Amino acid sequence: QKEVEQNSGPLSVPEGAIASLNCTYSDRGSQSFFWYRQYSGKSPELIMFIYSNGDKEDGRFTAQLNKASQYVSLLIRDSQPSDSATYLCAVTRSGAGSYQLTFGKGTKLSVIP
Amino acid sequence: DVKVTQSSRYLVKRTGEKVFLECVQDMDHENMFWYRQDPGLGLRLIYFSYDVKMKEKGDIPEGYSVSREKKERFSLILESASTNQTSMYLCASKDGGKETQYFGPGTRLLVL
Repeated sequence: QKEVEQNSGPLSVPEGAIASLNCTYSDRGSQSFFWYRQYSGKSPELIMFIYSNGDKEDGRFTAQLNKASQYVSLLIRDSQPSDSATYLCAVTRSGAGSYQLTFGKGTKLSVIP
Repeated sequence: DVKVTQSSRYLVKRTGEKVFLECVQDMDHENMFWYRQDPGLGLRLIYFSYDVKMKEKGDIPEGYSVSREKKERFSLILESASTNQTSMYLCASKDGGKETQYFGPGTRLLVL
């Protein structure tokens, strides 16, 4: 089965710093890549998605994709305590199930005031 | 805004009971999904439906069934609940032409 790997953390960063979250995936046919944020006891909410190699910026968040290396990352600039959550990486499955997502187990981020 | 609702936030059931979890979306989405989330195991796909009355098994369908009689509603059925089905159950939906999935608030199920 195709996999998505994330460092489980916890990743601790001081307030105002840049948090860097990484994800690797095994399905070479994956076309779309998503970052979800999940607060404790809540459901995942979409932060952003990326389809093309390179960077995509949305406010304090930047997603980076390198399909050759099968690597996706999420940078959070000026980290805030409210960013403390688990971040899930998800990728589309290739082939017939291309609208299905495979999720990583998530990286827990803690932003220290 | 996309809205996905689930019938219960918390549910306690006995072993052997038949359990129904319901999910409703209000955005006319074609595709709907049921996941369970467990510590250390992440989100795992149980079943999905790409249209009304259509369903496909996900990665862990054993012990579950689903029903989709109307486009907006997708039900997950635990035929005979067991303690290893204690989990957080998450429903998601998406537009058939797009890839972003939107999640409901989740149902935390405890089977005693």
